[in-house]
Amino acid sequence: QQQVKQSPQSLIVQKGGISIINCAYENTAFDYFPWYQQFPGKGPALLIAIRPDVSEKKEGRFTISFNKSAKQFSLHIMDSQPGDSATYFCAASRTDSWGKLQFGAGTQVVVTP
Amino acid sequence: DTGVSQDPRHKITKRGQNVTFRCDPISEHNRLYWYRQTLGQGPEFLTYFQNEAQLEKSRLLSDRFSAERPKGSFSTLEIQRTEQGDSAMYLCASSRWRGGPEETQYFGPGTRLLVL
Repeated sequence: QQQVKQSPQSLIVQKGGISIINCAYENTAFDYFPWYQQFPGKGPALLIAIRPDVSEKKEGRFTISFNKSAKQFSLHIMDSQPGDSATYFCAASRTDSWGKLQFGAGTQVVVTP
Repeated sequence: DTGVSQDPRHKITKRGQNVTFRCDPISEHNRLYWYRQTLGQGPEFLTYFQNEAQLEKSRLLSDRFSAERPKGSFSTLEIQRTEQGDSAMYLCASSRWRGGPEETQYFGPGTRLLVL
């Protein structure tokens, strides 16, 4: 069963708008939560990541919000651009399980001009 | 280009045939992972190497699947007696792990397998 649940499956946002993708997990042993971006025909690429001892991390237009008590985390894409159109995956891993990543099912984001 | 490379990029085979994929990780990366991705899903972990040692295999990896990483450099993933359900994108990732939970895995472009 999927250990990381991701929603929505897809979203359409206008240029300049905010894209929000949510993920939830059950296993409290997870201690690293990266987000990956994947373009068609390419492998996933790390976008931004967070540890559970931090509630928010921002890198440029991308922000992760982390709620440890709710076991949820989300990606916010500010000022969305057409070049941000891609599939986004949240993931989680545990130090005691090597670096094996458990991925969500993905969110396809389309930014309209 | 010093990224992760995979070969071939595409493979079409008939059911029952054997196929082998190759992954060349980023130089000096000590960890190497194989994942499988089907349409509309996130990558699923298959197996993992630390240097040349295969340290974990997923339950998804039946006895028809075998992976090697001789000398801790490139890796191969072989699927014997392919089935139509093996059709997927096979992704390789590598990382330089220095301890602790934070680890950036760099993914290759993948090998897309179609079993007819």
